[in-house]
Amino acid sequence: AQKITQTQPGMFVQEKEAVTLDCTYDTSDPSYGLFWYKQPSSGEMIFLIYQGSYDQQNATEGRYSLNFQKARKSANLVISASQLGDSAMYFCAMTPYTGGFKTIFGAGTRLFVKA
Amino acid sequence: DTGVSQDPRHKITKRGQNVTFRCDPISEHNRLYWYRQTLGQGPEFLTYFQNEAQLEKSRLLSDRFSAERPKGSFSTLEIQRTEQGDSAMYLCASSFGTAPNTEAFFGQGTRLTVV
Repeated sequence: AQKITQTQPGMFVQEKEAVTLDCTYDTSDPSYGLFWYKQPSSGEMIFLIYQGSYDQQNATEGRYSLNFQKARKSANLVISASQLGDSAMYFCAMTPYTGGFKTIFGAGTRLFVKA
Repeated sequence: DTGVSQDPRHKITKRGQNVTFRCDPISEHNRLYWYRQTLGQGPEFLTYFQNEAQLEKSRLLSDRFSAERPKGSFSTLEIQRTEQGDSAMYLCASSFGTAPNTEAFFGQGTRLTVV
């Protein structure tokens, strides 16, 4: 079965500090993509970063980096230099490359950035 | 192009009534997805279109739910004989291409409340 687990319902971080949001996944597909999305209070999902299962290097996008450990099936999001505007829900998601394009989301982590 | 557009943003309906939601994807995006999100949870996949063809449908999509994308552009999601358990945010997303690793762009969702 395909599953995404985010074990941190809520996280606090001080402004300008770095924070790691945890994500583990379970799949039997050999090829898959991993995504992180941000959902502010306005409701829309905003794409942050992507990692392919065969990518050798960890993905980075500006202040976002993905710590991909394939053997442990983890894909943690690291946000550096947190800003007040980073306060939002963060979702880890996975799309298997076989059997269609169904993307599975975790339950999310709510991040609070303190001034 | 201003992104994925969903209409209406909010819908309150009485139990047993039918409702229809519309999604206008980013133009030229060939893939379109519907998700349902309940409070405190991540989005759950409902269905997926590639152009006008509905390629995958979740078991969550009971026979009261139907989705169409008649000309491969906008899509509608209809719920017949609504139940209180249908209360949720319905999210539409679109993406371009045939590779599963392309990011999906989400609309702001339609919040359905069944009373």
